[in-house]
Amino acid sequence: QSALTQPPSVSGSPGQSVTISCTGTSSDVGSYNRVSWYQQPPGTAPKLMIYDVSNRPSGVPDRFSGSKSGNTASLTISGLQAEDEADYYCSSYTSSSTYVFGTGTKVIVL
Amino acid sequence: QVQLQESGPGLVKPSQTLSLTCTVSGGSISSGNYYWSWIRQPAGKGLEWIGRIYTSGSTSYNPSLKSRITISVDTSKNQFSLKLNSVTAADTAVYYCASHSWSGYYFDYWGQGTLVTVSS
Repeated sequence: QSALTQPPSVSGSPGQSVTISCTGTSSDVGSYNRVSWYQQPPGTAPKLMIYDVSNRPSGVPDRFSGSKSGNTASLTISGLQAEDEADYYCSSYTSSSTYVFGTGTKVIVL
Repeated sequence: QVQLQESGPGLVKPSQTLSLTCTVSGGSISSGNYYWSWIRQPAGKGLEWIGRIYTSGSTSYNPSLKSRITISVDTSKNQFSLKLNSVTAADTAVYYCASHSWSGYYFDYWGQGTLVTVSS
């Protein structure tokens, strides 16, 4: 299984919106609404931010939102804040009952 | 609230077997409510799912690692373990244990991670 494709980095000024794409195949992202997103500041474990494409766990700000179209999922951060600077990874369940992660995107707050 | 803690040697010689254990607290590993996974991350690189186990012992592995992996569960100790054999420098990474509910497909609990270096 190949890693899902994400842009290496995205950037924005405080208050702006950024969107991270996550492109897979019909065997993973396109097959199920089982895409999740994780935030990972340097030196820390990943933290769940979005599950099942667009659901936020308790405690995650509503500035974070997710969507999916075909084989591509997206994470949007609205009202960007300095504390949002981190690496972000998507993940998808696959038709082989395995999991695959994205290549990762560094969010830079200018 | 489930808490996970990895443990094991930080240094493994090439061709040997990497062995890690994840201790679960705040919940019973035998409750049947969770799947238990291993995920790794080489320095400066992305996350890679290694495999998972259910309380029943049912496993699912990353096809690229399947021939070298064994994941097992010890309900008496509330732990699950990873064995990766024939390691090379490419297996040097931070190894995380993580869990997701039986009805979910996302990792909501993570350990802090443990660095394993493969070197002679």
